[in-house]
Amino acid sequence: TQLLEQSPQFLSIQEGENLTVYCNSSSVFSSLQWYRQEPGEGPVLLVTVVTGGEVKKLKRLTFQFGDARKDSSLHITAAQPGDTGLYLCAPDGGRDDKIIFGKGTRLHILP
Amino acid sequence: DVKVTQSSRYLVKRTGEKVFLECVQDMDHENMFWYRQDPGLGLRLIYFSYDVKMKEKGDIPEGYSVSREKKERFSLILESASTNQTSMYLCASTPAGGTEAFFGQGTRLTVV
Repeated sequence: TQLLEQSPQFLSIQEGENLTVYCNSSSVFSSLQWYRQEPGEGPVLLVTVVTGGEVKKLKRLTFQFGDARKDSSLHITAAQPGDTGLYLCAPDGGRDDKIIFGKGTRLHILP
Repeated sequence: DVKVTQSSRYLVKRTGEKVFLECVQDMDHENMFWYRQDPGLGLRLIYFSYDVKMKEKGDIPEGYSVSREKKERFSLILESASTNQTSMYLCASTPAGGTEAFFGQGTRLTVV
């Protein structure tokens, strides 16, 4: 089972600030997914990154896949209270389609 | 609108009871998953099914079993519920070879 580390575990910042969270592994992945989970709900996919070095933008969220496809980052510009939630990363399931998640970063944006 | 539906949002059961958590997906996905989510531990995979009647153990299968008699339905069974199985349970599905997991809304199970 590949080991996924997400950091930081918790982050509480003021509205309008910028932040970056990380997803790291020693394994190489074909692709990596980022999800956001709001309280009391299931996770929802935000983006999939596939190519080493790829950068994808989703409004104020910027996702980057590392050149070696072992790590990824999520940068949020001018955070809003609506960004509050648990951010999870998960690589593709590999040969057996089994999807394993990192422990997540719990983000709280203070108004 | 694609959907994964879990039968209950909240459930309270007594220690020793047999508990069934049901999950249905309408996307004709081959793969279905059961996770439990606990504070500080993230989503941990309990069981995974890649086809009807096929299953594989995840990272924490002890105390659980599963059933997949039809493609759209994946059931998680707690044979004899214990208090340490109090948790949020999440069901998900993906197509074969797919990477995007679609989740249900979760079942918060309390065992007293």
